[in-house]
Amino acid sequence: DAKTTQPNSMESNEEEPVHLPCNHSTISGTDYIHWYRQLPSQGPEYVIHGLTSNVNNRMASLAIAEDRKSSTLILHRATLRDAAVYYCILRGGSSNTGKLIFGQGTTLQVKP
Amino acid sequence: DAGITQSPRHKVTETGTPVTLRCHQTENHRYMYWYRQDPGHGLRLIHYSYGVKDTDKGEVSDGYSVSRSKTEDFLLTLESATSSQTSVYFCAISERENTEAFFGQGTRLTVV
Repeated sequence: DAKTTQPNSMESNEEEPVHLPCNHSTISGTDYIHWYRQLPSQGPEYVIHGLTSNVNNRMASLAIAEDRKSSTLILHRATLRDAAVYYCILRGGSSNTGKLIFGQGTTLQVKP
Repeated sequence: DAGITQSPRHKVTETGTPVTLRCHQTENHRYMYWYRQDPGHGLRLIHYSYGVKDTDKGEVSDGYSVSRSKTEDFLLTLESATSSQTSVYFCAISERENTEAFFGQGTRLTVV
């Protein structure tokens, strides 16, 4: 399974943009890049995903490098509610097993 | 919110007893997953299913078995519960192998 590398923790100020990086140098051509987050005492929730092109939705934006070896989740204006653990995961791939394997993620702290 | 329900939400059981956790979905999604999460750790995949009667092991499958006799239900069984299986268990569903996954609210299991 292709792996991802994320910083253990990051800090942000409220109402400022946040850029959460993820490296995935062994990504295969059919792997989708997924982001999930887990708020304290809750189950994970889907944030965004993409294959090659940058993606935007109501929660965030996903910027994918041209070589696809890295990506960045962008929260445009962090709020206190965005404090969570953010997971970058590769899904799909050539084996098509659908496995969804979580790493340690990035713990985001948002300061008022 | 995706139609996914875990039951029970909380359970206390004694060492050596069998326990079954249920994940029920109303989305007709093909893929279903069981995870465990221990304090201070990320989610670890126990077993997953890619269709009715099609299941496979995840990262930490020892001591667990699963069954999926119909699309909407994915059962996780601890044949003989041990204290090391005290954890929060999450179920997830996904329509395809590369689409977004949705998670249940979790089951807190305590083995005494």
